Amino acid sequence: QKEVEQDPGPLSVPEGAIVSLNCTYSNSAFQYFMWYRQYSRKGPELLMYTYSSGNKEDGRFTAQVDKSSKYISLFIRDSQPSDSATYLCAMRDSGGYQKVTFGTGTKLQVIP
Amino acid sequence: GAVVSQHPSRVICKSGTSVKIECRSLDFQATTMFWYRQFPKQSLMLMATSNEGSKATYEQGVEKDKFLINHASLTLSTLTVTSAHPEDSSFYICSARDPRSGELFFGEGSRLTVL
Repeated sequence: QKEVEQDPGPLSVPEGAIVSLNCTYSNSAFQYFMWYRQYSRKGPELLMYTYSSGNKEDGRFTAQVDKSSKYISLFIRDSQPSDSATYLCAMRDSGGYQKVTFGTGTKLQVIP
Repeated sequence: GAVVSQHPSRVICKSGTSVKIECRSLDFQATTMFWYRQFPKQSLMLMATSNEGSKATYEQGVEKDKFLINHASLTLSTLTVTSAHPEDSSFYICSARDPRSGELFFGEGSRLTVL
């Protein structure tokens, strides 16, 4: 079993839809949770960064963390064609090594 | 925001030659940088952790003599792929942690093609 599981998609939605992207994980030591957006042939770009459980909102993006269920989500409201990319969840513990573990990424396509 | 610069973005080389990729943190000093490899439709695989002023820490299965990492300053880490072969063709990405926020920022990636 992988430490982090993420549905690879692809996920195709019409413009304006609400998108839900999810990851599950098995390591209860993970404390920090991130979502990255990666356009084709580019490096990942940090979207959201959260600590422990709860919600965090930034514009059209909302990140949720449920540590009891070991489940994290990223919601995108009013999705735009420019949101078409691969979204990677990532997480790490609070240890000194601070190794980050990534999901495989979900490819999202927003159709105009 | 913080910026991590990676160069070159694309490189094509002949089999048996060595290739150097640079990773620079432009807005902050990074004592630790990370090097990843990404295959098509797969996630980032951590290759090694680059520590300024000391030896890099390699992940299991990564050949230290093939992927040489040097972190000579607080803003620069280099990855050298030695005696490259076609199977080394991949997308290599570096990242650096901003000590002010703890956030991890990535370079734009370098696509290596070995003929």
